[in-house]
Amino acid sequence: DIVMTQTPLSLAVAPGQPAAISCKSSQSLLHSGKTYLYWYLQKPGQPPQLLIYEVSNRFSGVSDRFSGSGSGTDFTLKISRVEAEDVGVYYCMQSIQVPITFGQGTRLEIK
Amino acid sequence: QVQLQESGPGLVKPSETLSLTCTVSDGSVTSGSYYWSWIRQPPGKGLEWIGYMYHSGNTDYNPSLKSRVTISADASNNQFSLKMSYVTAADTAVYYCARDLLWGQGILVTVSS
Repeated sequence: DIVMTQTPLSLAVAPGQPAAISCKSSQSLLHSGKTYLYWYLQKPGQPPQLLIYEVSNRFSGVSDRFSGSGSGTDFTLKISRVEAEDVGVYYCMQSIQVPITFGQGTRLEIK
Repeated sequence: QVQLQESGPGLVKPSETLSLTCTVSDGSVTSGSYYWSWIRQPPGKGLEWIGYMYHSGNTDYNPSLKSRVTISADASNNQFSLKMSYVTAADTAVYYCARDLLWGQGILVTVSS
């Protein structure tokens, strides 16, 4: 199985400040020119919602404060200016290989 | 945007079979273009992929669950389903269905006598 490792596991950020979450995979997620790395946010009491697909593409309706970057096995989700509505648990996910696997999750809190 | 809704019993007895259904709002279950997944999340824990169905009937399952899981479609009712046999307390979780990358609201299933 591909192991997805997120760091940090929790972070507290003041409103208006930036935040970054790292996700490292145990194998390359690149295949035939496509990188199978996704980011989800699970707000309290809600299902995970897609933020970023294929490393850096924002899903419909996602704020441009969110950006994704990376390649191969190292990826980063950045929030340019954290807002109260960004609170929740962020997960990275790979789908290049079955079983699909997720990172442990990173809990974002507001200071 | 497509809506997915999970349904089924919220309480299942140990050793019995868990059966859940996902109803898809736009009839796309008949299309061979999508991956139809089940994912679960034990209370307070992370996400575990159970398996998916694609290309009108092909399936892949998490090896950790493969011997107990079946995913199938009921296209006439715009639904797909999950069956998990011989459940234990460790199978207590919120179960989500998904089409490609879009998830339903989830349903809590508790395994208890």
